[in-house]
Amino acid sequence: DVKVTQSSRYLVKRTGEKVFLECVQDMDHENMFWYRQDPGLGLRLIYFSYDVKMKEKGDIPEGYSVSREKKERFSLILESASTNQTSMYLCASSLPGLGSGANVLTFGAGSRLTVL
Amino acid sequence: AQSVTQLGSHVSVSEGALVLLRCNYSSSVPPYLFWYVQYPNQGLQLLLKYTTGATLVKGINGFEAEFKKSETSFHLTKPSAHMSDAAEYFCAVSDSGTSYGKLTFGQGTILTVHP
Repeated sequence: DVKVTQSSRYLVKRTGEKVFLECVQDMDHENMFWYRQDPGLGLRLIYFSYDVKMKEKGDIPEGYSVSREKKERFSLILESASTNQTSMYLCASSLPGLGSGANVLTFGAGSRLTVL
Repeated sequence: AQSVTQLGSHVSVSEGALVLLRCNYSSSVPPYLFWYVQYPNQGLQLLLKYTTGATLVKGINGFEAEFKKSETSFHLTKPSAHMSDAAEYFCAVSDSGTSYGKLTFGQGTILTVHP
């Protein structure tokens, strides 16, 4: 089975802190994603990457950046955390290329971030 | 741009009753459609998907969904609810072309199953 591992399940940070959320997948997937999940809003795409060092903005990239130095690892960075970034963050990966296989996402368990 | 609307943020059924979770989408190109389920304190897992071919799609745990192009719908059903079906369900859509797996999700529907 594909595994997507998010290193931190729960984090509590203070306003203005720099926050790193780490995600590792073990099945050689080229596509990786960061989504944010909020009640009543579903999942919203923050950033995605289709190759090492490649990144594309999603629907809500403001206040976030990402890093993909290795194929298996995709990091989400909050340069200066704010209270409105309190949320559940979900990492996902999928097969390379286009078509139906690339659209089947495998998710990690999530990282719940609280910013005080 | 794509969008997904799930009708009803909360659905409550009795054990053994029919489950119907509604999903409507908009897409400018032929869509790929998905249902994911999220159990408490877990990530999302794929229930079923429609890409091409047969419009009635069967998934895990007895769920199925039917793609109706004329109605732009992809409703999820299960004939008989089980207590273990209690979870949050998400409908999602992506373009069949160049999306690199970028899914657009609906708002989610929380399913409660009563004994």
